[in-house]
Amino acid sequence: AQSVTQLGSHVSVSEGALVLLRCNYSSSVPPYLFWYVQYPNQGLQLLLKYTSAATLVKGINGFEAEFKKSETSFHLTKPSAHMSDAAEYFCAVSERAGGSYIPTFGRGTSLIVHP
Amino acid sequence: DSGVTQTPKHLITATGQRVTLRCSPRSGDLSVYWYQQSLDQGLQFLIQYYNGEERAKGNILERFSAQQFPDLHSELNLSSLELGDSALYFCASSVTDARWNTIYFGEGSWLTVV
Repeated sequence: AQSVTQLGSHVSVSEGALVLLRCNYSSSVPPYLFWYVQYPNQGLQLLLKYTSAATLVKGINGFEAEFKKSETSFHLTKPSAHMSDAAEYFCAVSERAGGSYIPTFGRGTSLIVHP
Repeated sequence: DSGVTQTPKHLITATGQRVTLRCSPRSGDLSVYWYQQSLDQGLQFLIQYYNGEERAKGNILERFSAQQFPDLHSELNLSSLELGDSALYFCASSVTDARWNTIYFGEGSWLTVV
């Protein structure tokens, strides 16, 4: 079974600082990888996804992620944090289950942004 | 607004009771997924339906069941409720499966079992 591991349940940055949220995957085949964000009292929404077209994937709100096969990583970055980026971030891998594909989510990383 | 509608938003019920959570997928989406989110277990996949048929099953308890109706809305039935079933239950939908398709989440149904 494929899985993702998010390093760090909480990441704290100052406004304007670089955001780096880590995600490592385990997969024996090329994975389909996703980053989702969950704002307080809301459902998850897609930030970006990797489907093998390009290793550097750009998403919404200035976020991007780079797929590195050699490191089995798909870390999420943003050059400059904004207060509105404070949320829970989930890395996910699409996993074969039954006759379908299902996103399997990591435990999440809470991003805290200080003024 | 993702286009996925879940009702009720909040529900408080007693142990041993049965509740039904309802989900309307985005217009045009054939797949519906149910997830349970709790502090100790994280986001756990329960079950997926595609065009009325069960397609994949995850960590869903035998006390829980789901179905997808011809109009594509779905219901998650939780019975013989226990305190540990208190969680946020999400419904999500996608056009087909989630291999590379985006899945869209509703805002969830908060279930509190007392």
